[in-house]
Amino acid sequence: GAGVSQSPRYKVAKRGQDVALRCDPISGHVSLFWYQQALGQGPEFLTYFQNEAQLDKSGLPSDRFFAERPEGSVSTLKIQRTQQEDSAVYLCASSSTGANQPQHFGDGTRLSIL
Amino acid sequence: QKEVEQNSGPLSVPEGAIASLNCTYSDRGSQSFFWYRQYSGKSPELIMFIYSNGDKEDGRFTAQLNKASQYVSLLIRDSQPSDSATYLCAVIVGSQGNLIFGKGTKLSVKP
Repeated sequence: GAGVSQSPRYKVAKRGQDVALRCDPISGHVSLFWYQQALGQGPEFLTYFQNEAQLDKSGLPSDRFFAERPEGSVSTLKIQRTQQEDSAVYLCASSSTGANQPQHFGDGTRLSIL
Repeated sequence: QKEVEQNSGPLSVPEGAIASLNCTYSDRGSQSFFWYRQYSGKSPELIMFIYSNGDKEDGRFTAQLNKASQYVSLLIRDSQPSDSATYLCAVIVGSQGNLIFGKGTKLSVKP
């Protein structure tokens, strides 16, 4: 597709459930990033992939968060045993080769934990 | 702690005026600088990026970078009501390329 595609757009889950969020980056983009955005705040970095390799996961808030990109294209962010503080918008961004290239964001997944 | 600071606003300007948005960053190793526009309930949209000291113009937008002062700004000329949004300043530090964002400045352009 022309842009970064994320699904679902909205996800409501009960506390303790597992969720999976999907990101389909711009075709040919090597780098893929996940960010978390709380209300009224700027996005905060979670993790980074270059192709299928996860090169940085320093922003993941706990070991309940897990991300993968097995074939170097689509990525999934999984959150296990969700907590209320996990409620946020999860944004995926991709960029072409090179660490300083502009990143283009998907529409995000708004996650609400009840 | 790498930080990006922005005045949260709201910044209110009349239609047709110049809107000036400012951002400072703490890490002198910062290499690349970006401005994103975010409408309420929408995702960030890239509007400008700048890598070198000086000015960069694109239509009604001008980004200004001063690495010595660790300062980056965005000017919007002939502001329109459709420019009303939150403007996020973001910086890349290091080799991985992840963005560090400020909290954003909310701009309101009054007709």
